[in-house]
Amino acid sequence: GAVVSQHPSRVICKSGTSVKIECRSLDFQATTMFWYRQFPKQSLMLMATSNEGSKATYEQGVEKDKFLINHASLTLSTLTVTSAHPEDSSFYICSASLGTGPLAKNIQYFGAGTRLSVL
Amino acid sequence: GEDVEQSLFLSVREGDSSVINCTYTDSSSTYLYWYKQEPGAGLQLLTYIFSNMDMKQDQRLTVLLNKKDKHLSLRIADTQTGDSAIYFCAEKRSSTLTFGKGTMLLVSP
Repeated sequence: GAVVSQHPSRVICKSGTSVKIECRSLDFQATTMFWYRQFPKQSLMLMATSNEGSKATYEQGVEKDKFLINHASLTLSTLTVTSAHPEDSSFYICSASLGTGPLAKNIQYFGAGTRLSVL
Repeated sequence: GEDVEQSLFLSVREGDSSVINCTYTDSSSTYLYWYKQEPGAGLQLLTYIFSNMDMKQDQRLTVLLNKKDKHLSLRIADTQTGDSAIYFCAEKRSSTLTFGKGTMLLVSP
């Protein structure tokens, strides 16, 4: 099956620093990647949709200057949390669509998630 | 409302069947999904169903879709302790997924 690798799995940082999270599709090309945020015992909230070679589309209420997304290749998207603060502590999960085609583009495969703790 | 609704908790005994229910909101949703999340991990796609289908079976998993009532269910036959996890249903609205809050399934020996 399609594998999405996300790194790091856990990061602890000091307030004010920036943290980069990587999301890679290992055995397929992902034209679209998604970034989600999950609070404890809550559902996943879509933060942004990232298409290779173009600017990410952010959901309402998500600060694009705070959460920088880069999708430079068909297998890699990165999320950088800039000047992180304790309220940014959360579980961040990426997903990738398999590609084009009526079925492939409707299936999202998820990474294992990154737990960010900002002290 | 605009939420995808699920019951929050289900407890079953090992070997029994589990049924997790979900109601969604958008009648034009083309795909509906069930994902499994184990503690501290990402989401694993379990199965999905296209909106023109009423039922889909895959080994121990059976998905039933009632479009009229916008109701989706996931039945797990012969539930095992390894099935203990949080199960999310999701609907596809335009190009994005909307998730429910998840149902925690606890399987006791």
